[in-house]
Amino acid sequence: DADVTQTPRNRITKTGKRIMLECSQTKGHDRMYWYRQDPGLGLQLIYYSFDVKDINKGEISDGYSVSRQAQAKFSLSLESAIPNQTALYFCATSDPTGVDTQYFGPGTRLTVL
Amino acid sequence: QKEVEQDPGPLSVPEGAIVSLNCTYSNSAFQYFMWYRQYSRKGPELLMYTYSSGNKEDGRFTAQVDKSSKYISLFIRDSQPSDSATYLCAMRVPNTGNQFYFGTGTSLTVIP
Repeated sequence: DADVTQTPRNRITKTGKRIMLECSQTKGHDRMYWYRQDPGLGLQLIYYSFDVKDINKGEISDGYSVSRQAQAKFSLSLESAIPNQTALYFCATSDPTGVDTQYFGPGTRLTVL
Repeated sequence: QKEVEQDPGPLSVPEGAIVSLNCTYSNSAFQYFMWYRQYSRKGPELLMYTYSSGNKEDGRFTAQVDKSSKYISLFIRDSQPSDSATYLCAMRVPNTGNQFYFGTGTSLTVIP
Protein backbone atom coordinates (compact mmCIF):
# COMPACT_ATOMS: atom_id res chain seq x y z
CA ASP A 1 0.00 0.00 0.00
CA ALA A 2 1.14 3.53 -0.75
CA ASP A 3 2.61 5.47 2.17
CA VAL A 4 0.90 8.73 1.17
CA THR A 5 -2.54 8.56 -0.40
CA GLN A 6 -4.70 11.31 -1.83
CA THR A 7 -8.38 11.40 -2.64
CA PRO A 8 -9.85 12.07 -5.06
CA ARG A 9 -7.29 11.49 -7.81
CA ASN A 10 -9.23 13.55 -10.30
CA ARG A 11 -11.93 16.14 -9.78
CA ILE A 12 -13.84 18.48 -12.03
CA THR A 13 -15.85 21.20 -10.35
CA LYS A 14 -17.47 24.51 -11.14
CA THR A 15 -16.54 28.03 -10.19
CA GLY A 16 -17.77 28.95 -6.73
CA LYS A 17 -18.04 25.41 -5.41
CA ARG A 18 -16.38 24.31 -2.19
CA ILE A 19 -14.09 21.35 -2.57
CA MET A 20 -11.94 19.32 -0.21
CA LEU A 21 -8.87 17.29 -1.08
CA GLU A 22 -7.79 14.70 1.43
CA CYS A 23 -4.42 13.24 2.31
CA SER A 24 -3.56 10.30 4.52
CA GLN A 25 -0.17 8.86 5.39
CA THR A 26 1.10 5.72 7.07
CA LYS A 27 4.73 6.85 7.36
CA GLY A 28 4.27 8.11 10.90
CA HIS A 29 5.67 11.52 10.00
CA ASP A 30 4.65 14.60 11.93
CA ARG A 31 5.23 17.05 9.08
CA MET A 32 2.76 17.33 6.22
CA TYR A 33 2.52 19.71 3.28
CA TRP A 34 0.26 20.75 0.44
CA TYR A 35 1.71 21.89 -2.89
CA ARG A 36 0.29 22.80 -6.22
CA GLN A 37 2.12 22.17 -9.46
CA ASP A 38 1.58 24.20 -12.61
CA PRO A 39 3.48 23.85 -15.88
CA GLY A 40 6.52 26.13 -15.89
CA LEU A 41 6.07 27.12 -12.25
CA GLY A 42 7.14 24.00 -10.46
CA LEU A 43 5.94 23.13 -6.99
CA GLN A 44 4.49 25.94 -4.91
CA LEU A 45 3.86 25.49 -1.20
CA ILE A 46 0.29 26.20 -0.07
CA TYR A 47 0.28 25.16 3.61
CA TYR A 48 2.35 23.04 5.90
CA SER A 49 1.88 21.51 9.33
CA PHE A 50 4.58 20.34 11.73
CA ASP A 51 2.09 18.64 14.02
CA VAL A 52 -1.64 18.58 14.73
CA LYS A 53 -1.58 21.93 16.50
CA ASP A 54 0.88 23.68 14.21
CA ILE A 55 -0.34 24.91 10.82
CA ASN A 56 1.43 27.50 8.71
CA LYS A 57 0.80 29.35 5.49
CA GLY A 58 3.06 28.77 2.53
CA GLU A 59 3.80 31.08 -0.36
CA ILE A 60 0.38 30.83 -2.06
CA SER A 61 -2.20 30.24 0.70
CA ASP A 62 -4.82 32.77 -0.47
CA GLY A 63 -8.05 31.01 -1.44
CA TYR A 64 -7.12 27.83 0.43
CA SER A 65 -7.59 26.49 3.95
CA VAL A 66 -6.41 23.33 5.66
CA SER A 67 -7.31 21.05 8.52
CA ARG A 68 -5.02 18.63 10.34
CA GLN A 69 -7.46 16.13 11.75
CA ALA A 70 -4.83 13.75 13.08
CA GLN A 71 -1.14 13.04 12.67
CA ALA A 72 -1.97 10.96 9.63
CA LYS A 73 -4.55 13.20 7.97
CA PHE A 74 -4.23 16.63 6.38
CA SER A 75 -6.96 18.05 4.16
CA LEU A 76 -6.96 21.02 1.82
CA SER A 77 -10.10 23.03 1.07
CA LEU A 78 -10.94 25.48 -1.63
CA GLU A 79 -13.76 27.54 -0.15
CA SER A 80 -14.93 28.99 -3.44
CA ALA A 81 -13.08 27.46 -6.36
CA ILE A 82 -11.96 29.63 -9.27
CA PRO A 83 -10.55 28.58 -12.66
CA ASN A 84 -6.97 29.62 -11.91
CA GLN A 85 -6.94 27.02 -9.14
CA THR A 86 -6.93 24.38 -11.84
CA ALA A 87 -3.71 22.50 -11.15
CA LEU A 88 -2.13 19.31 -9.90
CA TYR A 89 -2.14 19.17 -6.09
CA PHE A 90 0.31 17.14 -4.07
CA CYS A 91 0.41 16.20 -0.44
CA ALA A 92 3.79 15.41 1.07
CA THR A 93 5.22 14.30 4.39
CA SER A 94 8.66 14.55 5.90
CA ASP A 95 10.67 13.38 8.85
CA PRO A 96 12.80 16.16 10.38
CA THR A 97 15.59 13.78 11.31
CA GLY A 98 18.46 13.64 8.88
CA VAL A 99 17.95 15.51 5.65
CA ASP A 100 14.21 15.97 6.15
CA THR A 101 13.42 14.90 2.61
CA GLN A 102 9.84 14.93 1.41
CA TYR A 103 7.66 12.02 0.37
CA PHE A 104 4.88 12.83 -2.06
CA GLY A 105 1.47 11.39 -2.69
CA PRO A 106 0.24 10.54 -6.21
CA GLY A 107 -1.48 13.88 -6.69
CA THR A 108 -4.99 15.16 -7.35
CA ARG A 109 -5.74 16.67 -10.73
CA LEU A 110 -8.28 19.44 -10.14
CA THR A 111 -10.13 21.24 -12.91
CA VAL A 112 -12.29 24.25 -12.11
CA LEU A 113 -14.66 25.20 -14.91
CA GLN B 1 15.12 36.23 -9.50
CA LYS B 2 13.94 32.79 -8.49
CA GLU B 3 15.78 31.03 -5.71
CA VAL B 4 16.34 28.01 -7.95
CA GLU B 5 16.62 27.99 -11.73
CA GLN B 6 16.29 24.87 -13.84
CA ASP B 7 16.21 24.51 -17.60
CA PRO B 8 12.78 23.03 -18.42
CA GLY B 9 13.97 21.24 -21.54
CA PRO B 10 12.49 19.15 -23.01
CA LEU B 11 15.54 16.97 -23.41
CA SER B 12 15.52 14.01 -25.79
CA VAL B 13 18.41 11.55 -25.98
CA PRO B 14 19.04 8.11 -27.49
CA GLU B 15 19.21 5.08 -25.23
CA GLY B 16 22.66 4.64 -23.74
CA ALA B 17 23.54 8.33 -23.78
CA ILE B 18 24.93 10.23 -20.82
CA VAL B 19 22.44 12.81 -19.57
CA SER B 20 23.33 15.97 -17.68
CA LEU B 21 20.64 17.86 -15.77
CA ASN B 22 21.47 21.11 -14.03
CA CYS B 23 20.20 23.68 -11.56
CA THR B 24 21.59 26.97 -10.37
CA TYR B 25 20.68 28.75 -7.18
CA SER B 26 21.18 32.12 -5.59
CA ASN B 27 21.03 31.46 -1.84
CA SER B 28 24.45 30.54 -0.47
CA ALA B 29 22.79 29.25 2.72
CA PHE B 30 21.41 26.19 0.95
CA GLN B 31 23.06 23.12 2.41
CA TYR B 32 20.85 20.20 1.42
CA PHE B 33 20.42 19.34 -2.24
CA MET B 34 18.02 16.80 -3.65
CA TRP B 35 16.93 15.38 -6.98
CA TYR B 36 13.43 14.06 -7.48
CA ARG B 37 12.09 12.05 -10.39
CA GLN B 38 8.48 12.45 -11.43
CA TYR B 39 6.82 10.09 -13.86
CA SER B 40 3.77 11.24 -15.75
CA ARG B 41 0.68 11.38 -13.51
CA LYS B 42 2.71 10.45 -10.43
CA GLY B 43 4.09 12.32 -7.46
CA PRO B 44 7.79 13.22 -7.28
CA GLU B 45 9.99 10.56 -5.70
CA LEU B 46 13.34 11.18 -4.10
CA LEU B 47 16.20 10.01 -6.29
CA MET B 48 19.28 11.37 -4.55
CA TYR B 49 20.28 13.82 -1.90
CA THR B 50 23.55 15.33 -0.74
CA TYR B 51 24.63 17.94 1.73
CA SER B 52 28.16 18.65 0.70
CA SER B 53 30.13 19.74 -2.30
CA GLY B 54 31.52 17.08 -4.58
CA ASN B 55 30.04 13.97 -6.13
CA LYS B 56 27.73 11.29 -4.83
CA GLU B 57 27.16 8.18 -6.88
CA ASP B 58 24.30 5.70 -6.81
CA GLY B 59 24.33 3.15 -9.60
CA ARG B 60 23.93 4.95 -12.90
CA PHE B 61 23.21 8.26 -11.18
CA THR B 62 25.73 10.81 -9.96
CA ALA B 63 24.81 13.99 -8.11
CA GLN B 64 27.33 16.79 -8.19
CA VAL B 65 27.33 19.94 -6.09
CA ASP B 66 29.55 22.97 -6.64
CA LYS B 67 28.77 25.42 -3.86
CA SER B 68 31.31 27.95 -5.03
CA SER B 69 29.45 28.28 -8.32
CA LYS B 70 26.00 27.64 -6.80
CA TYR B 71 25.46 24.90 -9.32
CA ILE B 72 24.22 21.32 -8.99
CA SER B 73 24.03 18.57 -11.56
CA LEU B 74 22.58 15.11 -11.98
CA PHE B 75 24.30 12.78 -14.41
CA ILE B 76 22.63 9.66 -15.73
CA ARG B 77 24.92 7.11 -17.38
CA ASP B 78 23.72 4.51 -19.86
CA SER B 79 20.30 6.12 -19.97
CA GLN B 80 17.30 3.83 -20.36
CA PRO B 81 13.78 4.42 -21.68
CA SER B 82 12.59 3.91 -18.10
CA ASP B 83 14.52 7.06 -17.15
CA SER B 84 12.03 9.10 -19.18
CA ALA B 85 10.48 11.43 -16.62
CA THR B 86 10.64 14.96 -15.28
CA TYR B 87 13.55 15.62 -12.93
CA LEU B 88 13.24 18.28 -10.25
CA CYS B 89 16.04 19.66 -8.17
CA ALA B 90 15.29 20.81 -4.64
CA MET B 91 17.28 22.43 -1.91
CA ARG B 92 16.91 23.85 1.54
CA VAL B 93 18.57 25.70 4.35
CA PRO B 94 19.02 23.48 7.41
CA ASN B 95 17.28 24.26 10.69
CA THR B 96 15.06 26.95 9.26
CA GLY B 97 11.71 25.24 9.59
CA ASN B 98 10.13 24.00 6.47
CA GLN B 99 11.05 25.72 3.30
CA PHE B 100 12.09 23.52 0.40
CA TYR B 101 12.89 25.28 -2.84
CA PHE B 102 12.14 23.35 -6.01
CA GLY B 103 13.26 23.88 -9.56
CA THR B 104 10.59 23.83 -12.23
CA GLY B 105 11.75 20.45 -13.55
CA THR B 106 13.43 19.18 -16.71
CA SER B 107 11.49 16.81 -18.94
CA LEU B 108 13.65 13.95 -20.23
CA THR B 109 12.79 11.43 -22.93
CA VAL B 110 15.12 8.51 -23.66
CA ILE B 111 14.47 7.10 -27.09
CA PRO B 112 14.96 3.33 -27.56
